[in-house]
Amino acid sequence: EVQLVQSGAEVKKPGESLKISCKGSGYSFTTYWIGWVRQMPGKGLEWMGVIYPDDSDTRYSPSFEGQVTFSADKSINTAYLQLSSLKASDTALYYCARPYLQGSFRDAFNIWGQGTMVTVSS
Amino acid sequence: EIVLTQSPGTLSLSPGERATLSCRASQRISSSYLAWYQQNPGQAPRLLIYATFSRATGIPDRFSGSGSGTDFNLTVSRLEPEDFGVYYCQQYGGSPPWTFGQGTKVEIK
Repeated sequence: EVQLVQSGAEVKKPGESLKISCKGSGYSFTTYWIGWVRQMPGKGLEWMGVIYPDDSDTRYSPSFEGQVTFSADKSINTAYLQLSSLKASDTALYYCARPYLQGSFRDAFNIWGQGTMVTVSS
Repeated sequence: EIVLTQSPGTLSLSPGERATLSCRASQRISSSYLAWYQQNPGQAPRLLIYATFSRATGIPDRFSGSGSGTDFNLTVSRLEPEDFGVYYCQQYGGSPPWTFGQGTKVEIK
């Protein structure tokens, strides 16, 4: 079964950093882009960007560039989303997702992780 | 950045009725690059339609997509109880970033 499994919920204080993981299984992890999507409480979906695990090529949305960092460790089939200098406004559900097509990020996401809830509060 | 505007914000319908959801883009999108997702409470989004017309694996044929240029629609021919939720369109044409619409909630009347 193709699946993405994300790390568990996190509660952080303002100014702290955080790294969320997304482990892929059941497919060739290095040949599919992995995307990250934010959903703030009660709000819609926001495309943050994508990473290609084979060579760590990245594309960031301008709305998130400089605020987040994508990385990947292909030896353990895991992608990461790093959030630094956390603010209360970073409180959200973060999803990783995989496109339909191998080797392309110009595609819809047909495989989704279960989401990681991040709460930033003093 | 392409802005997607979905309408209506909320659709109140009964099971068995037909639902038509709209997604309008701020600039022309190739039909190859428009998708629809369903999200139920507490769940991750689920891909329904990609490339405007194509149903994702396992999606029943009561879901259909249509449109071109800047205007796209998702139609659910006969609403089942599990179809009530929030629907999002997404474009992935042109240059990144890809964008989502703000969502349409389909609720039980």
